[in-house]
Amino acid sequence: EAQVTQNPRYLITVTGKKLTVTCSQNMNHEYMSWYRQDPGLGLRQIYYSMNVEVTDKGDVPEGYKVSRKEKRNFPLILESPSPNQTSLYFCASTAGLMNTEAFFGQGTRLTVV
Amino acid sequence: GESVGLHLPTLSVQEGDNSIINCAYSNSASDYFIWYKQESGKGPQFIIDIRSNMDKRQGQRVTVLLNKTVKHLSLQIAATQPGDSAVYFCAENAYQGGKLIFGQGTELSVKP
Repeated sequence: EAQVTQNPRYLITVTGKKLTVTCSQNMNHEYMSWYRQDPGLGLRQIYYSMNVEVTDKGDVPEGYKVSRKEKRNFPLILESPSPNQTSLYFCASTAGLMNTEAFFGQGTRLTVV
Repeated sequence: GESVGLHLPTLSVQEGDNSIINCAYSNSASDYFIWYKQESGKGPQFIIDIRSNMDKRQGQRVTVLLNKTVKHLSLQIAATQPGDSAVYFCAENAYQGGKLIFGQGTELSVKP
C-alpha cells in the first residue's frame, strides 16, 4: 500500500529539548516536504526536498532543520523547540516537482510546554 | 478527532443534495489548481486538479470549475454523502519549490 508514515503521532515535550519527527514514503517519490497546520493559518510549507541531499526552505523554516540522506526518508528536526512550534505537522511526498497529487502522512500533533 | 481550524467557513447540506465549495486564489501564475479533502484525524487527500488553461473538469461525483477572470475556483459534489463530511482545501501549485499553497479551508457537514 502506497503511504507516507510519520512518527510519532503525538508528542508533548519541553522547551529546548531536541526532537525529531520521522517521515518515510514507500512510493519512490523524489519530492518531499513538511507542512505545519495552524488554526486560521491553514497549511504552510516548512522545508522541501527535490531529491537526495537537495533541500530548501519553504515559507516558515525558522527553528527547523531537515535532512534527506535517503530517498524514502525526510526527518524534521527541532533543535530547540519553543511553544510557538506547537502545531500539527504533516509530511508529504509527490512523484515530481510538477505533480499536483501529494500524498500526506497522518500528521504529528506536537505540543511544546 | 483533530480540529484543523477554529474559524473555518462552514457549509451544511442535506444528504443527497449537491454541494458547492468556493475558493478565491491569488496567484494568477499558478499552473494547476487543486482540491484536497481532510477528514478528522487524517492528512489531506487529493481529490481533483485542473490546469489553468481549462474551465471545467469532472471526476467521480465531483466537478471543478475555474474562473480565471475573477480568480475563483469551485468544487461541486453531486449527491453529497455523510462520508463527504470533511474540511476541503483549495491549493495552487507554485513552481517555486514545487510547493502547494493552500487556502484556509471550508468545513462541509452533511446531515443525514
